[in-house]
Amino acid sequence: DVKVTQSSRYLVKRTGEKVFLECVQDMDHENMFWYRQDPGLGLRLIYFSYDVKMKEKGDIPEGYSVSREKKERFSLILESASTNQTSMYLCASSTLFGTTEAFFGQGTRLTVV
Amino acid sequence: AQSVAQPEDQVNVAEGNPLTVKCTYSVSGNPYLFWYVQYPNRGLQFLLKYITGDNLVKGSYGFEAEFNKSQTSFHLKKPSALVSDSALYFCAVREGTGRRALTFGSGTRLQVQP
Repeated sequence: DVKVTQSSRYLVKRTGEKVFLECVQDMDHENMFWYRQDPGLGLRLIYFSYDVKMKEKGDIPEGYSVSREKKERFSLILESASTNQTSMYLCASSTLFGTTEAFFGQGTRLTVV
Repeated sequence: AQSVAQPEDQVNVAEGNPLTVKCTYSVSGNPYLFWYVQYPNRGLQFLLKYITGDNLVKGSYGFEAEFNKSQTSFHLKKPSALVSDSALYFCAVREGTGRRALTFGSGTRLQVQP
């Protein structure tokens, strides 16, 4: 069974902290994605990566960075957490082919206080 | 640019009745269209997709969706709703030759009443 695993289900961090969200996939997928989900806004793309050490900005990259040192792992970094980054974060992966669906992790609910 | 609209925040239907969740899209090239479902505090689960071919596609849990190119729509349907279908549904689009990432709609909450 295919799997995308996010390291934490729930996180509480303080304003100004540096926060790392980790995601690992076991499907040998080239593409990996980070989205944030907010009520009424759906999923918005933060960053994605199509290869190791490669990344592209999504629609809302401000305040975030990413790291992909190995094919199976994609990390989202909040350089200095702020309360407006309180949200559900979803990681996904897919093959290079546009015809295939993306597989999602279970999500990390981050609260910044 | 690619975009998706889900015009209904919530859809209410009685168990046993047919359901429709609406989705319209905008892309400059050929669309690849997807439906996902999300249960409380969970990630998204893939339901079905349209890539090419037959306009009516069938997916998991008895769901189907109809692709209509002239209306740029991809509505999700099920002939007979179950209480367990109550969840949040997302439509998504990827342009065939463009951006690799899916663009999602805002989601529609489906409530099936017993």
